[in-house]
Amino acid sequence: QVQLKESGPGLVQPSQTLSLTCTVSGFSLTSYHVSWVRQPPGKGLEWMGVIWTGGSTAYNSLLKSRLSISRDTSKSQVFLKMNSLQTEDTATYYCARVRSSPGVMDAWGQGASVTVSS
Amino acid sequence: DIQMTQSPASLSASLGETVTIQCRASEDIYSGLAWYQQKPGKSPQLLIYGASSLQDGVPSRFSGSGSGTQYSLKISSMQTEDEGVYFCQQGLKYPLTFGSGTKLEIK
Repeated sequence: QVQLKESGPGLVQPSQTLSLTCTVSGFSLTSYHVSWVRQPPGKGLEWMGVIWTGGSTAYNSLLKSRLSISRDTSKSQVFLKMNSLQTEDTATYYCARVRSSPGVMDAWGQGASVTVSS
Repeated sequence: DIQMTQSPASLSASLGETVTIQCRASEDIYSGLAWYQQKPGKSPQLLIYGASSLQDGVPSRFSGSGSGTQYSLKISSMQTEDEGVYFCQQGLKYPLTFGSGTKLEIK
């Protein structure tokens, strides 16, 4: 059974760094890509970035300067780090499994709600 | 980046009614189009990929069509459990991009 689960702090102070972990089961990180997608309250979905099966990454150009995605295949975990957080980064953050060609997200985590506030 | 324009923004339908949601890409995406359903407080769920392929477990009343830059999602007989927000997403090129969503409610 394919599962993804996000974990991390629910509250982050402005200007600080957000660190989230996505723990996956039922598939290998060397067989499927994993993306991060976020959704501000009451708004739409924003693709943030992807870590491909080979370990390379690609990012949304709007977030690229602040965002880093990495992984530990032995622990089946994907990590998101984003620095210089502002209130507009308040959102639910999802990790999702990505099928190749085309890029389709066929399994999602339940989401991690993150509030940026002092 | 490929821009996705989705319409309408909201829609109300009666039980049993046929519903259609449209999505337009800013360039040809060669059927690299997916549709997702999101219910309140839940994560998005894949309904359709490759413009017209039904994801496993999705009821057959959902169907997708289109080509080039124009795509649509059809629900052939609206059910109560179909309420939610629907998003299209292009998967041809990175960055992956989503439509702004269509909120579907029961009339």
